[in-house]
Amino acid sequence: AAGVIQSPRHLIKEKRETATLKCYPIPRHDTVYWYQQGPGQDPQFLISFYEKMQSDKGSIPDRFSAQQFSDYHSELNMSSLELGDSALYFCASRLAGGTQYFGPGTRLTVL
Amino acid sequence: DAKTTQPPSMDCAEGRAANLPCNHSTISGNEYVYWYRQIHSQGPQYIIHGLKNNETNEMASLIITEDRKSSTLILPHATLRDTAVYYCIVRNDNYGQNFVFGPGTRLSVLP
Repeated sequence: AAGVIQSPRHLIKEKRETATLKCYPIPRHDTVYWYQQGPGQDPQFLISFYEKMQSDKGSIPDRFSAQQFSDYHSELNMSSLELGDSALYFCASRLAGGTQYFGPGTRLTVL
Repeated sequence: DAKTTQPPSMDCAEGRAANLPCNHSTISGNEYVYWYRQIHSQGPQYIIHGLKNNETNEMASLIITEDRKSSTLILPHATLRDTAVYYCIVRNDNYGQNFVFGPGTRLSVLP
């Protein structure tokens, strides 16, 4: 069965640079969630989209933005990167009324 | 969402059943109980969920008490590959809410 695809799987950036993470949901899933997991921490919700509209917002820094496109894929844009942004970033997708399925994650390292 | 309480860690012998408890005493009538696990920095993996009745699938069984204030995830024959952090999450599916993780139970399956 098709799963959630995230790219890239690994990303290394310098401080103050920008990064774009991509998420391709399971086909026909209409909702996308982004989570951040710092070292030794549990996943924390950042933001979600339903039918291309932002549906909920968590502890997402103002330096981050995201959107969901017409093909339902989503991108998380991160600017002015800080050392503390180094983390695993997970995307999950869901069909309304169904269960969230997570992707393999993108490991971002900020040097 | 209702708050959940899980033991921080548990051990289980390989081949034996692993019983992971979760307390959710403030659960409301329309909130589901979800179980996910995370194997060393991989994306959280869906295991099972339920509302009132006990549920079973190819991975596990979920036993929910009659008053719904607690539940137990049962892995019938634990293997070394079941070593992971297990998260019990309570959520109202009607509103597509994001998951609130943590801190979960770190299950170690011992040979």
